[in-house]
Amino acid sequence: KQEVTQIPAALSVPEGENLVLNCSFTDSAIYNLQWFRQDPGKGLTSLLLIQSSQREQTSGRLNASLDKSSGRSTLYIAASQPGDSATYLCAVSSGNTGKLIFGQGTTLQVKP
Amino acid sequence: DVKVTQSSRYLVKRTGEKVFLECVQDMDHENMFWYRQDPGLGLRLIYFSYDVKMKEKGDIPEGYSVSREKKERFSLILESASTNQTSMYLCAHRGAFTRETQYFGPGTRLLVL
Repeated sequence: KQEVTQIPAALSVPEGENLVLNCSFTDSAIYNLQWFRQDPGKGLTSLLLIQSSQREQTSGRLNASLDKSSGRSTLYIAASQPGDSATYLCAVSSGNTGKLIFGQGTTLQVKP
Repeated sequence: DVKVTQSSRYLVKRTGEKVFLECVQDMDHENMFWYRQDPGLGLRLIYFSYDVKMKEKGDIPEGYSVSREKKERFSLILESASTNQTSMYLCAHRGAFTRETQYFGPGTRLLVL
């Protein structure tokens, strides 16, 4: 059974710092891995999608990497800003329906 | 812009009531999903549908049913609401292929008294 773990559960950093969020999964048979952002009380916004054949994806200050063989992904946020404060969720798509299995999320606070 | 509409942002119902949560997408996508999100448990899949009138159980289908009469609309039904169904409900959709992105709605926060 696929399990997804995110470490740390919470993170607080000063503005301007570069930071890394971690995601691990137990079964390497995935179609893709997706990083989402969730603001309090809101839905999920897709940030980056990495296909199983890819190693990384970039969007602006965000860079996500995928090491399928070791079951790990990282989300790198450069030059963090207070507006980056949110919960970041990692999810893998697997099984013949491609349903998403989510981690518990990392809640990030960027202090001005 | 991708648009996913959920019928209500907040809903308060009484135990035993029948509750309908609706989700509408405008991307003509085949696959639609209902999740619930609870503190400490994360997001869990309740049901999904891969085509009109087609549905499959997710990880926690007990106490729920779904309806998909039209491609753009996917309804989650709580036949007899209970307090343990108080939660945030999120709808999502995706195109035909597993490699595609899932798009999420804004969520409905349901309180069952």
